[in-house]
Amino acid sequence: GAVVSQHPSRVICKSGTSVKIECRSLDFQATTMFWYRQFPKQSLMLMATSNEGSKATYEQGVEKDKFLINHASLTLSTLTVTSAHPEDSSFYICSATGQGGNYGYTFGSGTRLTVV
Amino acid sequence: KNQVEQSPQSLIILEGKNCTLQCNYTVSPFSNLRWYKQDTGRGPVSLTIMTFSENTKSNGRYTATLDADTKQSSLHITASQLSDSASYICVVRGQAGTALIFGKGTTLSVSS
Repeated sequence: GAVVSQHPSRVICKSGTSVKIECRSLDFQATTMFWYRQFPKQSLMLMATSNEGSKATYEQGVEKDKFLINHASLTLSTLTVTSAHPEDSSFYICSATGQGGNYGYTFGSGTRLTVV
Repeated sequence: KNQVEQSPQSLIILEGKNCTLQCNYTVSPFSNLRWYKQDTGRGPVSLTIMTFSENTKSNGRYTATLDADTKQSSLHITASQLSDSASYICVVRGQAGTALIFGKGTTLSVSS
C-alpha cells in the first residue's frame, strides 16, 4: 500500500513555457502533499506544503507565482512551473501523507525537468 | 536548531561486505526517524521507520538502530550487493505538523 505516482518522469521544455507535474496517491487519501526540489548530489529541499482544499504554504525563498501548486482532491496535487527558465532545471519530487501521517510520507518517483 | 547530520558523506565497499551508516540529529521534540534509499534519478524509497521507543528495526539486509537518548541512529547493510549502490538519507520528524528534517545523505558505491 501507500503508493504515490508522479508524472511525467522526464520533461524537456523551452524557456518561457509552463510545465505541469502531477502527483497522485493511488491507494490512500493524501490529506497533505509536499513538493521538493533536489539539485545534483544535494538533499531534498522542501518547496511547499499543500493540504487538500487549501492554499499551499511555501517555504521562504520559493516564488509562489512561479511554482503554482493545486491540491484540489485527496488524491491529486499538481505543480506548475510557469515561464520556465534554464535555472528551473532540476529534479522535482512529491510526497504524500494520509490522515495523521500514518502513511509514512511516501515519495513519488520524481520528475527531471530540463529547460532549454 | 533542528539538524540531521549523516556520516560518512560517501563510502565505497566491495560486494559482499557489510557497512554501517551513521545519523546524528538534534531535532526536538522527536516523533520518528526514517531511513530512505534513493537511486540516482528516482524518488526516495522507505527502508525503515522508528519511533523513540524502538531500538532496532530490520528490513531484509537493512537493520536500523536508534538511541533516542544520544540522538543517534545507524543503518547497517549486510552482505552488500551491487544494487545497494545509492544515496541513503536519514529523515527525522519532529512534532506533529512540522516539516521533515533531511540529512544530506550518504552515497554508497558497491563495487565488484
